[in-house]
Amino acid sequence: QKEVEQNSGPLSVPEGAIASLNCTYSDRGSQSFFWYRQYSGKSPELIMSIYSNGDKEDGRFTAQLNKASQYVSLLIRDSQPSDSATYLCAVFNNNDMRFGAGTRLTVKP
Amino acid sequence: DTGVSQDPRHKITKRGQNVTFRCDPISEHNRLYWYRQTLGQGPEFLTYFQNEAQLEKSRLLSDRFSAERPKGSFSTLEIQRTEQGDSAMYLCASSLTSGLGYGYTFGSGTRLTVV
Repeated sequence: QKEVEQNSGPLSVPEGAIASLNCTYSDRGSQSFFWYRQYSGKSPELIMSIYSNGDKEDGRFTAQLNKASQYVSLLIRDSQPSDSATYLCAVFNNNDMRFGAGTRLTVKP
Repeated sequence: DTGVSQDPRHKITKRGQNVTFRCDPISEHNRLYWYRQTLGQGPEFLTYFQNEAQLEKSRLLSDRFSAERPKGSFSTLEIQRTEQGDSAMYLCASSLTSGLGYGYTFGSGTRLTVV
């Protein structure tokens, strides 16, 4: 079992729709959780962090964490073509961060 | 401070040659990480430093790989006797120390192609 699992996609949504990205992790001791966005040929950039169960909102982005289910999600509201990228889920534990393989999102105009 | 800098951006080398990459982290960050990323995969952890001490190395880091961070500032990653399987993007990231973990700031990466 991989430490961090994501649906590789591609996920395609129309402009203005809600994009929902999901992630599960295997280590129950994981302490904190992050979402990164990576455009093709570029390095990852941090967009959200979440540490406690529940929802955390930042602009059009909402991260959701359920530690009992070992599940993290990212919702992107009012999706824009500029949101088209690969979204990486990352889990921090024992002093380093482990990444999922990413979900490729395409927002169609 | 302009963020995390990596040099070179691209490196093409012949199989069997040695290569060295450099990373300059954000100056106030005491942690520095090296990751490797291949097409369609997420970044894979290689090693990390807290100040000048190398605290963890992945089993992915064979004895052909070595990393240093003299004086707790910039870091170098050397690959000896390169193999075609070493072709990847090598990412450096830095962060502050935190029990919960701060998000990392990544550099632009060094793309290595072994021919």
